[in-house]
Amino acid sequence: QVQLQESGPGLVKPSETLSLTCAVSGNSISSAYYWGWIRQPPGKGLEWIGTIYHSGNTYYNPSLKSRVTISVDTSRNLLSLNVSSVTAADTAVYYCASLDLRGILFDYWGQGTLVTVSS
Amino acid sequence: EIVLTQSPGTLSLSPGERVTLSCRASQSVSRSYLAWYQQKPGQAPRLLIYGTSSRATGIPDRFSGSGSGTDFTLTISRLEPEDFAVYCCQQYGSSPSLMYAFGQGTKLEIK
Repeated sequence: QVQLQESGPGLVKPSETLSLTCAVSGNSISSAYYWGWIRQPPGKGLEWIGTIYHSGNTYYNPSLKSRVTISVDTSRNLLSLNVSSVTAADTAVYYCASLDLRGILFDYWGQGTLVTVSS
Repeated sequence: EIVLTQSPGTLSLSPGERVTLSCRASQSVSRSYLAWYQQKPGQAPRLLIYGTSSRATGIPDRFSGSGSGTDFTLTISRLEPEDFAVYCCQQYGSSPSLMYAFGQGTKLEIK
């Protein structure tokens, strides 16, 4: 069973870039077809950020597309997320997840990491 | 863009009761592309139901899903203490948008 663990700074200043990584264990990151990032602002619902195919093709939420980059490092079994020009509205728990082989749903999730945007 | 609306926002129930949660889509969704998740405080979501009505691995049979078109439901036949949590639905929009939308969630709390 795949396990995922997010890591990165818990505090980011406004206008800076939020950078997170997700360590994948229990399986090669190349073995699953899709990987994704989802976030959840405090007390609110889940918001899809983006999805990446293990070949490197990416798909982003149109509302975030201009600021988001997702990448995969197959040699280190790492998934990465960058969100540029952050504001307080980007404060959330950020989750990485694997998707099923059809890329339809999120079957395994990391525990999540809280990122607060504040000066 | 498909919007998923869940109702009610919060339900207060007692263990042993039966509950049905609603997820309504702003436009028709393929049954294959509708899933439900359970989320407990401080935890990541857990996949419960996929393809509208199929239970994920390890999910008890008191959980069931149904629906079609724009109306989908999650039913818990007999609430156990560990079932009090937030439940949200999710749909997959096929390319070119390749969007994943989540409902805002329904919270089940103990009465």
